[in-house]
Amino acid sequence: EVQLVQSGAEVKNSGDSLKISCKASGYNFTSYWIGWVRQMPGKGLEWMGIIYPGDSDTRYSPSFQGRVIISADKSISTAYLQWSSLKASDTAIYYCARYLRFSLYMDVWGQGTTVTVSS
Amino acid sequence: DIQMTQSPSTLSASVGDRVTITCRASQTISSWLAWYQQKPGKAPNLLIYKASSLESAVPSRFSGSGSGTEFTLTISSLQPDDFATYYCQQYNSYPLTFGGGTKVEIK
Repeated sequence: EVQLVQSGAEVKNSGDSLKISCKASGYNFTSYWIGWVRQMPGKGLEWMGIIYPGDSDTRYSPSFQGRVIISADKSISTAYLQWSSLKASDTAIYYCARYLRFSLYMDVWGQGTTVTVSS
Repeated sequence: DIQMTQSPSTLSASVGDRVTITCRASQTISSWLAWYQQKPGKAPNLLIYKASSLESAVPSRFSGSGSGTEFTLTISSLQPDDFATYYCQQYNSYPLTFGGGTKVEIK
C-alpha cells in the first residue's frame, strides 16, 4: 500500500526553527516528485514546492521561496520541510503529497502536520 | 502565475441533485487540471486528473470536462458523503496553483 506518514503536531514560538517530515512507503521514492501544501486555518490550499528525490531537483512557489527549505533523504524515503525562523503567520496544517514524474497532480497525500506558532 | 478562479464559492444542494462547479484559468492550461475533494479535518483526495480522467476507486457519479481555460466538475446525483469542499489545481506550469475552493453544503 502506498502511504505517506507525516510527523506529529508541533507547537513553537516565533523565531524558532522547525523541520517536519513525511515518510513514504509502498513505492519507489526516487521515481516520483514529493512536495508540500499549506492550509491556513479556515482557508484554502496553497502550493509550496516539490522535490524529485531521484536527482534532488527542487521547485518552489515564489510565495515560499526563501522562507522554507524542501529536502529529501533517499536512504530513508523521507521528505522534509524546514523553517529557520518561524512566524505566527506560519500557523497552518502542512500536507505532503506525491506527484507523478511527468504529470504534476497529487495522487497520494499525507495526513497533515499541524504547526502552531505563538508570538 | 496562472490564477484559478472557482465558482460558486459555496453551493447549497440536496441529496440527489446534479451539481456543477466551474474552474477558470487566467491563461490556457490545455487539459492539465485536477480536482480534489476535502472533508473537514481530512487531507484532500484526488478525484479527477487531466481534466476528465477519473481516479481509481472514485465513484462514477463524479465527472470532469473542459480544456483551455474553462473546466467543470459535475456530480450527477449528490450523495450524503459528497458534502465537502472541492478544489481545482492546474499543473500546466510552475508555480502550480489551486482554485479558492467550492464548499458544497446541505440545503
